[in-house]
Amino acid sequence: DGGITQSPKYLFRKEGQNVTLSCEQNLNHDAMYWYRQDPGQGLRLIYYSQIVNDFQKGDIAEGYSVSREKKESFPLTVTSAQKNPTAFYLCASSISLLSYEQYFGPGTRLTVT
Amino acid sequence: GEDVEQSLFLSVREGDSSVINCTYTDSSSTYLYWYKQEPGAGLQLLTYIFSNMDMKQDQRLTVLLNKKDKHLSLRIADTQTGDSAIYFCAERKGQAGTALIFGKGTTLSVSS
Repeated sequence: DGGITQSPKYLFRKEGQNVTLSCEQNLNHDAMYWYRQDPGQGLRLIYYSQIVNDFQKGDIAEGYSVSREKKESFPLTVTSAQKNPTAFYLCASSISLLSYEQYFGPGTRLTVT
Repeated sequence: GEDVEQSLFLSVREGDSSVINCTYTDSSSTYLYWYKQEPGAGLQLLTYIFSNMDMKQDQRLTVLLNKKDKHLSLRIADTQTGDSAIYFCAERKGQAGTALIFGKGTTLSVSS
């Protein structure tokens, strides 16, 4: 069954701690993306990766870091430098950066107190 | 201002048609999309339209594109309670190397 998995669905952390959100896809897609969604807001792009060992900053990359060591995995670390980390985080992938369709994972809701 | 704008809420009765509107600003956008998000879930691509088309129909869904006014709409015929969700309009900009730009989403509420 092909798709994108994100784990965990809910994550709670104390302020000042780094936290890593998992994103795995078995669709053999080259491109992967991380978005942040806040209530009443659209999705905002954090980072994206066109291919293994390559990634680019999106619109709101400050306070986040990513790695792309394997094609199927694109973990996102929310660092303590991110001023307002509580949000719903969505991972997506596509065949390539120019593909017309992005496939989304179920999301991880991060709450930082 | 925002690249993609949508009204935030729409309320309809079951069986009626729903029309969700969107305006975008980049005339070089190549593809325009409609995504659906159910509560607590990821986004699901509903339909898309290429910029050289002005209409696309897919079962109960009709997409209209007015390039002159940079206006996109999604019509859902015979709206059902299961259509209640947030609908996002998104554009892909013309230049290579960029991802999708999303609107804030329209929450569709369907009452029986």
